[in-house]
Amino acid sequence: GAVVSQHPSRVICKSGTSVKIECRSLDFQATTMFWYRQFPKQSLMLMATSNEGSKATYEQGVEKDKFLINHASLTLSTLTVTSAHPEDSSFYICSAGRGSDTEAFFGQGTRLTVV
Amino acid sequence: GQSLEQPSEVTAVEGAIVQINCTYQTSGFYGLSWYQQHDGGAPTFLSYNALDGLEETGRFSSFLSRSDSYGYLLLQELQMKDSASYFCAALSGGYQKVTFGTGTKLQVIP
Repeated sequence: GAVVSQHPSRVICKSGTSVKIECRSLDFQATTMFWYRQFPKQSLMLMATSNEGSKATYEQGVEKDKFLINHASLTLSTLTVTSAHPEDSSFYICSAGRGSDTEAFFGQGTRLTVV
Repeated sequence: GQSLEQPSEVTAVEGAIVQINCTYQTSGFYGLSWYQQHDGGAPTFLSYNALDGLEETGRFSSFLSRSDSYGYLLLQELQMKDSASYFCAALSGGYQKVTFGTGTKLQVIP
């Protein structure tokens, strides 16, 4: 149990286009999901907290108009990178918590390359 | 803000024991987790310490001292497949919000 699925695993897009990444909790309901970004050889940086049915909470320095987060149901959160630029190329990964578990369950991650 | 510091790289010999340290400054601290991440992969949960002391899970053990804001991950009987990045992570703010440390790249050599 506690499987989080992220799609797509890899995506290449042109500068100026938008890309949507999906994060699904397959066997549990997640009222809260988290989105992280990881640049090569660096740590995972929390971008935002996605709350089902309400607005996401963004970390300082993350542009909410550029990284749109929608958590429309208890099993799905989406991250849309709008007007992507090469500097947005990164590894994006989501996580979800299940009940009172202390373990965060991660999706497989999405490797975004903007050309 | 939240910060968790780790050594950037550690090299150890196959079969040996290695300790990866983590010092942290966080608010609303619930506990300290450890994750393993192989290149290109997702983080994999290893352990969690909510209370002071040592938690043992097979070849991996994790320690926490809240008074010292310090923890470590101990890997025993190192195997080549243990070569990966290891992150300490503070659980805070409820709902499994995780703040990751700077990460330690472990290289296991024959």
